Amino acid sequence: EVQLVESGGGLVQPGGSLRLSCAASGFTFSSYEMNWVRQAPGKGLEWVSYISSSGSTIYYADSVKGRFTISRDNAKNSLYLQMNSLRAEDTAVYYCARFSYGGNPAADWGQGTLVTVSS
Amino acid sequence: QLVLTQSPSASASLGASVKLTCTLSSGHSSYAIAWHQQQPEKGPRYLMKLNSDGSHSKGDGIPDRFSGSSSGAERYLTISSLQSEDEADYYCQTWGTGIQFGGGTKLTVL
Repeated sequence: EVQLVESGGGLVQPGGSLRLSCAASGFTFSSYEMNWVRQAPGKGLEWVSYISSSGSTIYYADSVKGRFTISRDNAKNSLYLQMNSLRAEDTAVYYCARFSYGGNPAADWGQGTLVTVSS
Repeated sequence: QLVLTQSPSASASLGASVKLTCTLSSGHSSYAIAWHQQQPEKGPRYLMKLNSDGSHSKGDGIPDRFSGSSSGAERYLTISSLQSEDEADYYCQTWGTGIQFGGGTKLTVL
């Protein structure tokens, strides 16, 4: 069974930093692209960042570019999101997600971790 | 630019059927999408990948009540024999030029 378990969320002041982690199990983590997706309170889903299976290709949404850094450790089956210069509008539940829409389509989501940016 | 458009809300009666729509922006009618369900206070769950020809691949454990179809730039999710647990937000997603989500449709089961 695929499991994605996020951690690291919490309350942080504007301008502060936070590092999210996602522990993956139930599949060969090193073979899959991974993403972070967030959802502000009462709002829809917003893609945040993408990382290729090797980590060599990375993309960010314009709203977080220059402030957030995605990374992965395939030896530890873990995905990370370093969030710096946090703003109130970054307040959201952050989901770790695997989207694999090739020959055998599948997608998996974590349960999410809440990040609240407030003074 | 690729944009996915969904109606904000839909409603249908218990036991009835409902068809939700996701519309791809002009010039993108050949794109496949995915449908995801988000029940209240839960994380999203993958339902299916839906191709432009209407063929679809459902996720593990997704009931037969959920099906997909396509027509031009429209992608549909049909839920038959509605149950109370189908009351949720439904999102379409594409991955053509970056990952995009539609705004979501809130389904109310009456």
